[in-house]
Amino acid sequence: DMKVTQMPRYLIKRMGENVLLECGQDMSHETMYWYRQDPGLGLQLIYISYDVDSNSEGDIPKGYRVSRKKREHFSLILDSAKTNQTSVYFCASSLGTANERLFFGHGTKLSVL
Amino acid sequence: GDSVTQTEGQVTVSESKSLIINCTYSATSIGYPNLFWYVRYPGEGLQLLLKVITAGQKGSSRGFEATYNKEATSFHLQKASVQESDSAVYYCALSDNNYGNEKITFGAGTKLTIKP
Repeated sequence: DMKVTQMPRYLIKRMGENVLLECGQDMSHETMYWYRQDPGLGLQLIYISYDVDSNSEGDIPKGYRVSRKKREHFSLILDSAKTNQTSVYFCASSLGTANERLFFGHGTKLSVL
Repeated sequence: GDSVTQTEGQVTVSESKSLIINCTYSATSIGYPNLFWYVRYPGEGLQLLLKVITAGQKGSSRGFEATYNKEATSFHLQKASVQESDSAVYYCALSDNNYGNEKITFGAGTKLTIKP
């Protein structure tokens, strides 16, 4: 159905708690991405995954880690969340490289109090 | 590093009027980057509107056009007559052509509101 699904859509956590953001896609895309967007800024790349267990840091990986054990799923983990990680997080996938069309999820709005 | 600049954070245009959303870029690749416009309609995920990979070429979709101007390093989005359904947030983006660099760099977005 050509869909990228993100769960949850909204999340409130306290500082120091662990956070798990999940992303799934039904297109068997090799490449998946995690971005975050803050007000007035463009989407900033956190991590890229080229396939199962083949992950690479993006521009702002500090404070985040990822897991991709199945091609369809890509998780973003925040160990001991910080208030400056309050943001909207977007997952995306593409068939090949970034020159191909990216398919995005609806985003997860995370608030760390 | 690469960067994309959209000068207007918000734009309001009356229905049936013309539109231009400005985008300029800076790329570090040896060759020319690929350029994109993505759009997020209310309640939907970000989606590709149009893409141009060759300098000097024009891309078009849904009545929107953008021309890849390598001299001016610009990729402005234009539409001759907007409709209320065009209300959305528009993002200009580029992808570097360096092998192994699979990154897309996005601008901050321009929120377009169409007045009926």
